[in-house]
Amino acid sequence: EVQLLESGGVLIQPGGSLRLSCAASGFTFSSYAMSWVRQAPGKGLEWVSYISVTGDTTHYADSVKGRFTISRDNSKNTLYLQMSNLRPDDTAVYYCAIAGYYENYAFDIWGQGTMVTVSS
Amino acid sequence: SYELTQPPSVSVSPGQTASITCSGDKLGDKYVSWYQQRPGQSPVLLISQDTRRPSGIPERFSGSNSGNTATLTISGTQAMDEADYYCQAWGNGPNYVFGTGTKVTVL
Repeated sequence: EVQLLESGGVLIQPGGSLRLSCAASGFTFSSYAMSWVRQAPGKGLEWVSYISVTGDTTHYADSVKGRFTISRDNSKNTLYLQMSNLRPDDTAVYYCAIAGYYENYAFDIWGQGTMVTVSS
Repeated sequence: SYELTQPPSVSVSPGQTASITCSGDKLGDKYVSWYQQRPGQSPVLLISQDTRRPSGIPERFSGSNSGNTATLTISGTQAMDEADYYCQAWGNGPNYVFGTGTKVTVL
């Protein structure tokens, strides 16, 4: 069974740093580009970041550019999101997702999400 | 930046048809996907590439996309379809913008 399991979400003070992880299982992780998508409480979905299969291409939403870094370790089947200089508006559930596992041009596999709360 | 606009809410009676629109500049030139999200759950893909329904998604869900508007149609709406729905556009480059979201209420 294809699974994505996020972890690392906590309550953290503004200006702090945090690393989220997404453990993949049930498929060949190294064959798929990955993304992070977040959802603030009571709000809609927001794409955050993308990383290519090899990790040599990354993209970020303007709202996190320069503060967040996406990476992956294909030997550990794990995706990461390093978050720094966190702000209260970064408070959200963070999902990792695959685009194109079953269906092209769509996020077709999602994790269960991990909650990040930025507050003093 | 590119924006996708959806109506905040849509109400429908059981057994009737619900239509959810998603508007964006030249949206018909892009691929649109649709997601359903029930409270406390992760999003689920309903429609990809404007009209494709993944395996396991009921036939009552269908999509279209033309001009500046994409539409998700739920035919024969059931109580279990009460959820939030999001469109998403896939254009040139990794700008995976989501729509504003629509809450569907089955009265």
